[in-house]
Amino acid sequence: DAGVTQSPTHLIKTRGQQVTLRCSPISGHKSVSWYQQVLGQGPQFIFQYYEKEERGRGNFPDRFSARQFPNYSSELNVNALLLGDSALYLCASAWTGGTGELFFGEGSRLTVL
Amino acid sequence: EDQVTQSPEALRLQEGESSSLNCSYTVSGLRGLFWYRQDPGKGPEFLFTLYSAGEEKEKERLKATLTKKESFLHITAPKPEDSATYLCAVQGGGSNYKLTFGKGTLLTVNP
Repeated sequence: DAGVTQSPTHLIKTRGQQVTLRCSPISGHKSVSWYQQVLGQGPQFIFQYYEKEERGRGNFPDRFSARQFPNYSSELNVNALLLGDSALYLCASAWTGGTGELFFGEGSRLTVL
Repeated sequence: EDQVTQSPEALRLQEGESSSLNCSYTVSGLRGLFWYRQDPGKGPEFLFTLYSAGEEKEKERLKATLTKKESFLHITAPKPEDSATYLCAVQGGGSNYKLTFGKGTLLTVNP
């Protein structure tokens, strides 16, 4: 079975641009979460979606937004990119929106110049 | 706010030299404590979930234990392929939709 898939794997943007990252969860999983991982740090929670509804949002500015589609795939959008947005963006899926293991994709490496 | 502190930040072992990684946490109503392994440039790989103090889980050379304040990941007779960053995370009762991660322990096992 396919795991969590993310695209693109790597991308380079300049300050002020906008980026869209995509995620397909494991088949049957209805919950998708997004995390940001800066080099040398642990992942930091950005959003969780369950059954297409936002269930939680971390301490990130409004430049960050996300949505979940009827097929449970998800997109993360970041507007007006800053140098500090350079990070590995991880998508994770789970069976439910509550307690349980998260299964992560390989991530999208974003570099902002 | 949930907090996770991992120690040491880095650990270098010789092949076969057993050791333990520590994860201290503060959380309001623990719903679960999770251990992940992360290889460079990759996403975290799920290892274990622990739910209550006294619980233990094992997988090959790894054993995770849990108390009310901390968790340990014991590595017995490690091999070079065990080299990775090990991440600890908690899911609190007040935020059942997210994991709070520590910074991780970078483990290097030399042959």
